[in-house]
Amino acid sequence: KAGVTQTPRYLIKTRGQQVTLSCSPISGHRSVSWYQQTPGQGLQFLFEYFSETQRNKGNFPGRFSGRQFSNSRSEMNVSTLELGDSALYLCASSSGQGGGAKEFFGPGTRLTVL
Amino acid sequence: GENVEQHPSTLSVQEGDSAVIKCTYSDSASNYFPWYKQELGKRPQLIIDIRSNVGEKKDQRIAVTLNKTAKHFSLHITETQPEDSAVYFCAASKDQAGTALIFGKGTTLSVSS
Repeated sequence: KAGVTQTPRYLIKTRGQQVTLSCSPISGHRSVSWYQQTPGQGLQFLFEYFSETQRNKGNFPGRFSGRQFSNSRSEMNVSTLELGDSALYLCASSSGQGGGAKEFFGPGTRLTVL
Repeated sequence: GENVEQHPSTLSVQEGDSAVIKCTYSDSASNYFPWYKQELGKRPQLIIDIRSNVGEKKDQRIAVTLNKTAKHFSLHITETQPEDSAVYFCAASKDQAGTALIFGKGTTLSVSS
């Protein structure tokens, strides 16, 4: 099976702009979670989508939003970018159900806000 | 909400030694505890996980133990090798599907030959 893919791999934006990141999960997986990784805060959970519905949400402001499509692909949007949004954004794919489910990460999108 | 603390933040060992990384969690509802290894410039990779109905799990040189009463779990790596050098993250989840992971801050393990 192909692994989790994310596009684009790198992005440079300026403050105030918005950005959309994309994640394609492992075939058959219905859950996609998004995480932000920074040197200072580590890995932080943003939100999870399962079958097109947001199932879990972390403690990030409303500028961070997401959605999931019927083919389980997910997008994450960040509006009104701030310098502090510079980070590696990782998505993780899971079957999302059952007692043995596990999360597998994509390669990440490196976002730089200038 | 859940908080996961991880110690130590850095760990240096000689090749062949054992390494132990410890994590504590705050939410007694957490029931899934994975460990990820992240090499420089790479994505986190799941190396082992444990669920709350199990006290210990082993996979070759790697083992994880869980003490639900004390709310802590540990990663044990035996016979360390230079390729074990990486950042290791523990995580906890109270979601039935093991998603929505709350991570510790990570441990940088250096194995010198």
